[in-house]
Amino acid sequence: GDSVTQTEGLVTVTEGLPVKLNCTYQTTYLTIAFFWYVQYLNEAPQVLLKSSTDNKRTEHQGFHATLHKSSSSFHLQKSSAQLSDSALYYCALRPATGGNNKLTFGQGTVLSVIP
Amino acid sequence: GPKVLQIPSHQIIDMGQMVTLNCDPVSNHLYFYWYKQILGQQMEFLVNFYNGKVMEKSKLFKDQFSVERPDGSYFTLKIQPTALEDSAVYFCASSLLGGGIQDTQYFGPGTRLLVL
Repeated sequence: GDSVTQTEGLVTVTEGLPVKLNCTYQTTYLTIAFFWYVQYLNEAPQVLLKSSTDNKRTEHQGFHATLHKSSSSFHLQKSSAQLSDSALYYCALRPATGGNNKLTFGQGTVLSVIP
Repeated sequence: GPKVLQIPSHQIIDMGQMVTLNCDPVSNHLYFYWYKQILGQQMEFLVNFYNGKVMEKSKLFKDQFSVERPDGSYFTLKIQPTALEDSAVYFCASSLLGGGIQDTQYFGPGTRLLVL
């Protein structure tokens, strides 16, 4: 079956510095939709970014990610981390065709931005 | 953005009892989902539901689990009877299209279920 791997459980970065959260995947589907969800404390996970196009950069709220099918990756990056970015981040994928629309999640990465 | 509500936020129950978790999905959404997250593990798909029917379920969706959405009210997950291994956070989600590149699942904040 599909799998998503987020190698870091916790990433700590100083405010103003760049940050990168890693996400790699395995899937047998040809057409896939990828997502980054962010979950702030005591809130619902919410979509931060989504993409299905290989080698196309997707941006939202200062974050960006590029799907690279050649390396099976969809890393999340930001050039300047803010204190308000501290949250739990999930990478997820699902098939984008057919009737199967279940999301497969990574284990999540806690981002802690410190002053 | 669109909001999904879940009631209750926390539930403590004795093993063997029945529990119903409630989800108020986004108002115009047609597809509904439950995911389960055991402490320290990733969120895993349980079931999706459309037009009054279960469309797909995972091996985690045991016979003791059932879902329904009577008359457009709450989308519910019922566990009867509960077991210790049912302790987890249960997330509800809803989406408009049920798949395809453009579809997005919107999540609620979760119900934290503890079975004693």
